[in-house]
Amino acid sequence: ILNVEQSPQSLHVQEGDSTNFTCSFPSSNFYALHWYRWETAKSPEALFVMTLNGDEKKKGRISATLNTKEGYSYLYIKGSQPEDSATYLCASLTTDSWGKLQFGAGTQVVVTP
Amino acid sequence: GAVVSQHPSWVICKSGTSVKIECRSLDFQATTMFWYRQFPKQSLMLMATSNEGSKATYEQGVEKDKFLINHASLTLSTLTVTSAHPEDSSFYICSASGDRGLYEQYFGPGTRLTVT
Repeated sequence: ILNVEQSPQSLHVQEGDSTNFTCSFPSSNFYALHWYRWETAKSPEALFVMTLNGDEKKKGRISATLNTKEGYSYLYIKGSQPEDSATYLCASLTTDSWGKLQFGAGTQVVVTP
Repeated sequence: GAVVSQHPSWVICKSGTSVKIECRSLDFQATTMFWYRQFPKQSLMLMATSNEGSKATYEQGVEKDKFLINHASLTLSTLTVTSAHPEDSSFYICSASGDRGLYEQYFGPGTRLTVT
């Protein structure tokens, strides 16, 4: 994988249901994987920065896992609420990127009551 | 903490005019600022990286004479779109970084530019 890819592009979730989506990134020269939450008309908000293979991070009902060997990360939302509606971006950082993040196109999550 | 503001949030200008967008870090010193551009349904694409007091580094394919970046202080960077054309209409967003560890970036809310 040369680029950062996110799937699905969008998903609709019923309130109370749990969901997850994927970020695939280049595994060579891996340094860190960033997750952002981006609500309409607001700034992208940093959720997680992950560096270690097998790492799992949690923030409230949102958690993320990381597999650096195969180049993917999952983001999970447990018991989705309408306020979880946002676009979730992942971005990859490699050791040769000089601090420049490479972003995926995002997964747009819409939670309906 | 780590708040970044961006102004204006949206702007409409006539073809041939120039537009300046400001990006400010409000509560931290940003040694590095990044400017991105986003087309609908696409990723944030890095345009340039600027470090305080030095010239910006532009990504391949980005015209440095068209997109002028100035990072005059540790809290302010500006992007000027010169002689704007309709194809420059896009969403522009800045981010700022103050550390050299995990390279966390803090984003402004973005600017929607429409060139008529």
